[in-house]
Amino acid sequence: DGGITQSPKYLFRKEGQNVTLSCEQNLNHDAMYWYRQDPGQGLRLIYYSQIVNDFQKGDIAEGYSVSREKKESFPLTVTSAQKNPTAFYLCASSIEAGQPQHFGDGTRLSIL
Amino acid sequence: AQRVTQPEKLLSVFKGAPVELKCNYSYSGSPELFWYVQYSRQRLQLLLRHISRESIKGFTADLNKGETSFHLKKPFAQEEDSAMYYCALRVRGAQKLVFGQGTRLTINP
Repeated sequence: DGGITQSPKYLFRKEGQNVTLSCEQNLNHDAMYWYRQDPGQGLRLIYYSQIVNDFQKGDIAEGYSVSREKKESFPLTVTSAQKNPTAFYLCASSIEAGQPQHFGDGTRLSIL
Repeated sequence: AQRVTQPEKLLSVFKGAPVELKCNYSYSGSPELFWYVQYSRQRLQLLLRHISRESIKGFTADLNKGETSFHLKKPFAQEEDSAMYYCALRVRGAQKLVFGQGTRLTINP
């Protein structure tokens, strides 16, 4: 199902570079989320947005930034300030904040 | 802070045997609990939520406030149940979920 699309599937970054991960949804959901998934640590919330032009920090927001200019889109930028960016990143959305979330396929980011 | 603990990283059972994936949480109020599942090469998806009180794919989970647990159970495991399972908690009124570390369930033939 194409409800949430994350791109690219794999991403490589050089040290010191910022990189942006894309997340688009066509479910007309108000809320969107970014998680980081590391082995043995489950999913940790980076940022979330309840509505357009609004977003809040999650548990591990340092070194990341987001924007929510459109309802359908919630891009995540991994900045050079993120000390350990190599991870699997998952985007999710829900009809409204707090409701069950629908997930994308994820983007695997690696540092060269 | 709220926390969700899944004590087993790996769980292996034989087909036809009962399955129980443990989930404990720390929160003094009334939480909302979920189980999410990720099958091989598929997206993470909602399996069930405690307020629905339903059985999905033969799985059930009962919220035990006294023991602060939300264990996932199935009486007879099937090979297609092999997957990664995550327990998650939402504090009522909050917008975000807190996930456990996940349990990888393998059903042996």
